[in-house]
Amino acid sequence: QAVVTQEPSLTVSPGGTVTLTCGSSTGAVTSGHYPYWFQQKPGQAPRTLIYDTSNKHSWTPARFSGSLLGGKAALTLSGAQPEDEAEYYCFLSYGGAWVFGGGTKLTVL
Amino acid sequence: QVQLQESGPGLVKPSETLSLTCAVSGGSISSSDWWTWVRQPPGKGLQWIGEMYHSGSTNYNPSLKSRVTISVDKSKNQFSLKLSSVTAADTAVYYCARVFRGCDWGQGTQVTVAS
Repeated sequence: QAVVTQEPSLTVSPGGTVTLTCGSSTGAVTSGHYPYWFQQKPGQAPRTLIYDTSNKHSWTPARFSGSLLGGKAALTLSGAQPEDEAEYYCFLSYGGAWVFGGGTKLTVL
Repeated sequence: QVQLQESGPGLVKPSETLSLTCAVSGGSISSSDWWTWVRQPPGKGLQWIGEMYHSGSTNYNPSLKSRVTISVDKSKNQFSLKLSSVTAADTAVYYCARVFRGCDWGQGTQVTVAS
């Protein structure tokens, strides 16, 4: 089974910009992996921010964007807010199986 | 946006079968979506369990495949998870979700495996 890797932790200043990445043990992440990004705060269910690489749900704040960057899926947060402090998970499709990344704990400080 | 609600026993004995149901509202279980189960052990990350298409096609996590069954009940607009021969390692919050061009989540239900 593929392994999906994320930065264990990142810190961003309020108002700052940060990019979270999502890599695959099988090679470059492409649009064919249909990358998803979820946000999860303590005690809450995950919330979907991005699907199919760069598409947003209606509730996704405009400051979040998804892309492919250097062979990885990427989630960029521009203009970080205190309420963005959370765990972020990526999710990749491998043609009949899905795999979550280990999560990135984002601190806004 | 589809709403999903998990239900089932919060406590399951070791070696028994865990059974959960996910009620779907605001959409049809027969739509072109993948009906999915995910779990999260205490203090750990998310783990994909498996998915089912309304046609009956299924995909399962290879590490759980021998113990997992996901089924759909179109008459009740719900889908279910069965996980057999559970151990303490199966203690987790279990989520159901709709995945296809987006993802809607249930609120999750805690399942503890203990005697």
